[in-house]
Amino acid sequence: QKEVEQNSGPLSVPEGAIASLNCTYSDRGSQSFFWYRQYSGKSPELIMSIYSNGDKEDGRFTAQLNKASQYVSLLIRDSQPSDSATYLCAVGPRGSTLGRLYFGRGTQLTVWP
Amino acid sequence: DAGVTQSPTHLIKTRGQQVTLRCSPKSGHDTVSWYQQALGQGPQFIFQYYEEEERQRGNFPDRFSGHQFPNYSSELNVNALLLGDSALYLCASSLGLVNTEAFFGQGTRLTVV
Repeated sequence: QKEVEQNSGPLSVPEGAIASLNCTYSDRGSQSFFWYRQYSGKSPELIMSIYSNGDKEDGRFTAQLNKASQYVSLLIRDSQPSDSATYLCAVGPRGSTLGRLYFGRGTQLTVWP
Repeated sequence: DAGVTQSPTHLIKTRGQQVTLRCSPKSGHDTVSWYQQALGQGPQFIFQYYEEEERQRGNFPDRFSGHQFPNYSSELNVNALLLGDSALYLCASSLGLVNTEAFFGQGTRLTVV
């Protein structure tokens, strides 16, 4: 059973702060990693993808991947109230289950003004 | 550029009935995956269609079936509905079978009463 674990939160940060979201996964052979943002009552929106160890930056978002530790994180700099949402970590495995994504339960983030 | 479209957006059905949900993938995409998201949970993989064939299947009973058409659009059918089938059903569109970026439609909220 491939598992994806996220700190369930809720995580609350003030506007302008850095929000740090974490995710661990059980399948060492996983090869693709994604962060989705989901507003209440809406569908998930892809915000970051990362495939190799290290950092990947896109605007205020930075994804970090450490395959040896089976850990992926998302940093949101200069957090805004509009960032308040649930953030889903998704992992793409290798091998027989190639093609599907395994999701964590999500971390609920609240950015207060 | 048309994104992923799903229909209907909301649906109420009675236990024992059958339901069909529809999805048109993002322009240029050829692979459709279906996910079920219960309240407070991450999306769970149902199955994936590529070249009009089911390529991967998650841990869902045979009551869940699907189809992909030559234009890459897809249907999800659920027979003998149970109360526990109430969830947000998400269609994800991607290019090819490997774990490339997947984009979600707005979802269909199914309520079984």
